[in-house]
Amino acid sequence: SAVISQKPSRDICQRGTSLTIQCQVDSQVTMMFWYRQQPGQSLTLIATANQGSEATYESGFVIDKFPISRPNLTFSTLTVSNMSPEDSSIYLCSVASGSNEQFFGPGTRLTVL
Amino acid sequence: DAKTTQPTSMDCAEGRAANLPCNHSTISGNEYVYWYRQIHSQGPQYIIHGLKNNETNEMASLIITEDRKSSTLILPHATLRDTAVYYCIVRDSGGGADGLTFGKGTHLIIQP
Repeated sequence: SAVISQKPSRDICQRGTSLTIQCQVDSQVTMMFWYRQQPGQSLTLIATANQGSEATYESGFVIDKFPISRPNLTFSTLTVSNMSPEDSSIYLCSVASGSNEQFFGPGTRLTVL
Repeated sequence: DAKTTQPTSMDCAEGRAANLPCNHSTISGNEYVYWYRQIHSQGPQYIIHGLKNNETNEMASLIITEDRKSSTLILPHATLRDTAVYYCIVRDSGGGADGLTFGKGTHLIIQP
């Protein structure tokens, strides 16, 4: 199984600012994904982070709001831009490589004031 | 991906078997049934998956009906640490190439 770390683990931010979340994996993986979990809700897929190319976004999510980078096979970042209180959520990255399992990071708990 | 239906919540006594049902009546022939769980304040954890045969691993057993329209996840000897939200997900045999579509899941509470 892959070991995934996320930084920061939590943050409190002011509206209008941006936060970049990092996801680091201990081995090379094929696929990396970003999810959002709003308070009391289930997880929603934001996008697939593609190595060396633009991320693939799900309906309702756009690059201007959630720019994603994936410079190599072990690292990805998600930026939450121009934040509002509605962006308060847990943001999780997950990875998959060959097997059918996805492994999730511990999440980043974001509070926007 | 096909849609799934799960009970909102369930209780189970510690040490007993926890049986979590999932309906997936619109599942197609190449779609697998996956189970994940999310313990409070953690990321989801993969449990098990299957196509049509019953499956067992160190965590759980998965029983899929012959018509594949429903399945049951069985935790044979539930402990307090099994309290979590359990998600049943049906997805294409493409495996890890796609992100997961999570429903609301079942909140399983293990009672001492």
